[in-house]
Amino acid sequence: KAGVTQTPRYLIKTRGQQVTLSCSPISGHRSVSWYQQTPGQGLQFLFEYFSETQRNKGNFPGRFSGRQFSNSRSEMNVSTLELGDSALYLCASSLGNMRGGAETQYFGPGTRLLVL
Amino acid sequence: GQQVMQIPQYQHVQEGEDFTTYCNSSTTLSNIQWYKQRPGGHPVFLIQLVKSGEVKKQKRLTFQFGEAKKNSSLHITATQTTDVGTYFCAGYSSASKIIFGSGTRLSIRP
Repeated sequence: KAGVTQTPRYLIKTRGQQVTLSCSPISGHRSVSWYQQTPGQGLQFLFEYFSETQRNKGNFPGRFSGRQFSNSRSEMNVSTLELGDSALYLCASSLGNMRGGAETQYFGPGTRLLVL
Repeated sequence: GQQVMQIPQYQHVQEGEDFTTYCNSSTTLSNIQWYKQRPGGHPVFLIQLVKSGEVKKQKRLTFQFGEAKKNSSLHITATQTTDVGTYFCAGYSSASKIIFGSGTRLSIRP
């Protein structure tokens, strides 16, 4: 099976702009989670989508939003970008049959976002 | 709020030496997962521990989950250069919230 794919791989934006990142999960996986990874804060959970519904949410401001389509592909949007949003954004897919981490998550290669 | 502390932050060992990283949670976890991230790569799932006191082995890697389900450790015996990377624990609370530890970066002198 093909792995988790994320597009674009690299992105440069300026403050105040918005950005949309895309994630295609492994075929058959219905859960997609998004994470932000920075040197200072490490890996932080943004949200999880399952069957087109947000099933879980981390502690990020409302500028960070997401959605999931019927084919399980997911997008993440960040509005009004700030310098501190520069990070590696990772998505991970899993079957989604069990909540609470009882499944293996498969991470994509990530999108590296630089905000100038 | 719930926190998962991971120590040490860095570990530099001679090839062949052992390595251990520890995770401690401020609250009881329903389960814990371990991931490895190679430099420039993305996290790759290693293992999940669910039961109190559980011990699992993968070749030279030994994973433990504490009796109180609040701490966990990963021990690598006789490190090899292929073990280089950052090791993360990820704890799941009863509310299905996931929190990653800050990671331990392992470097190895050949």
